[in-house]
Amino acid sequence: QQQVKQSPQSLIVQKGGISIINCAYENTAFDYFPWYQQFPGKGPALLIAIRPDVSEKKEGRFTISFNKSAKQFSLHIMDSQPGDSATYFCAARGSGGFKTIFGAGTRLFVKA
Amino acid sequence: DAGVIQSPRHEVTEMGQEVTLRCKPISGHDYLFWYRQTMMRGLELLIYFNNNVPIDDSGMPEDRFSAKMPNASFSTLKIQPSEPRDSAVYFCASSGETASLPRGYTFGSGTRLTVV
Repeated sequence: QQQVKQSPQSLIVQKGGISIINCAYENTAFDYFPWYQQFPGKGPALLIAIRPDVSEKKEGRFTISFNKSAKQFSLHIMDSQPGDSATYFCAARGSGGFKTIFGAGTRLFVKA
Repeated sequence: DAGVIQSPRHEVTEMGQEVTLRCKPISGHDYLFWYRQTMMRGLELLIYFNNNVPIDDSGMPEDRFSAKMPNASFSTLKIQPSEPRDSAVYFCASSGETASLPRGYTFGSGTRLTVV
């Protein structure tokens, strides 16, 4: 079974600090790696995404780093704010279809 | 666009009853997905449709679950009979992405199902 492994399960960061969430995948047939942000009572929302031919993508305070050879990718949240407190999911889309597999999620809490 | 619309937001039912969850995808999106979210298993893909046709239902847990998409603007997920272990949040998502232009999914707000 295709898997995306995400760590840590939970993360506490001080306001202004850097939050780092890591993911690893096992299948090379993924062609798109999105990150989703979910607030309580809401559905996941697309935050930022990267394709495997790019090593880094930055949008505002959010950056994805992608290491194709290691099959790993990570989300960095710079200058973390209390409003960033949410659950973050990494994901991978299969190139043979459009199934997206999600990691288990990381609960981020940013302390004011 | 109002986004992906799911109903009901909350459903409490007794074991053995039939439950129907509804979803209206974003207009123009060709793909529709049903996911289930629990603390133990995270986000699980149940089934997805392309142009109203079921493409992969390998995630449907058992025959008690069925999904339909009679037209481009409506889909249902039915559980009959329901069991307490079906309690979860069920999300519908839609996407207009293509193989060459991935765009990610737009999720609805979910239906929280409780089977007692």
